[in-house]
Amino acid sequence: NAGVTQTPKFQVLKTGQSMTLQCAQDMNHEYMSWYRQDPGMGLRLIHYSVGAGITDQGEVPNGYNVSRSTTEDFPLRLLSAAPSQTSVYFCASSDRWTSSEAFFGQGTRLTVV
Amino acid sequence: AQSVTQLGSHVSVSEGALVLLRCNYSSSVPPYLFWYVQYPNQGLQLLLKYTSAATLVKGINGFEAEFKKSETSFHLTKPSAHMSDAAEYFCAVSIRAQKLVFGQGTRLTINP
Repeated sequence: NAGVTQTPKFQVLKTGQSMTLQCAQDMNHEYMSWYRQDPGMGLRLIHYSVGAGITDQGEVPNGYNVSRSTTEDFPLRLLSAAPSQTSVYFCASSDRWTSSEAFFGQGTRLTVV
Repeated sequence: AQSVTQLGSHVSVSEGALVLLRCNYSSSVPPYLFWYVQYPNQGLQLLLKYTSAATLVKGINGFEAEFKKSETSFHLTKPSAHMSDAAEYFCAVSIRAQKLVFGQGTRLTINP
């Protein structure tokens, strides 16, 4: 089992460019989510999904889009990158958030210049 | 809405000393609570979780946490710190919701 796989690991974007961060899990988990991690702010939820075709916004959704066409994949799209989106992004998956362990990817370090 | 507050963004202890990392949550219904650890340049991994079965929860690497409803707390402890415990620790809460909410994190430094 690979668990949760995120690609790329590192990315540098210019302001205004768009890109997609990929996230895939092979554990048949229903729940998936995207977080961003910034110094002193912990992990903040961007978007989450409770199953294929179902997504919802988290705490900081502006500037990001998601879709969930399959159980395995949950890509995060940056529509027009801004320096404020410089961060480390983590994808996570779980059977259920209420009592099951959330498995995290290794993260994507994004710099917007 | 549920939330979690970690008291102290940075905790420093000597090797062999007690580790105490504080977490308080807000909730009007019984929560599910978690502690995660993040080593440098890695993702998060689960240390332990509270799901109402027992108030004292034991986790990996000698860590444990006690759920205290009256204090709305879920503090993480380890009797004797080891150099390998240096990392960032996150408390998280989920209350019959379909997402986790994390605290701000506490960076633990171990002094030799």
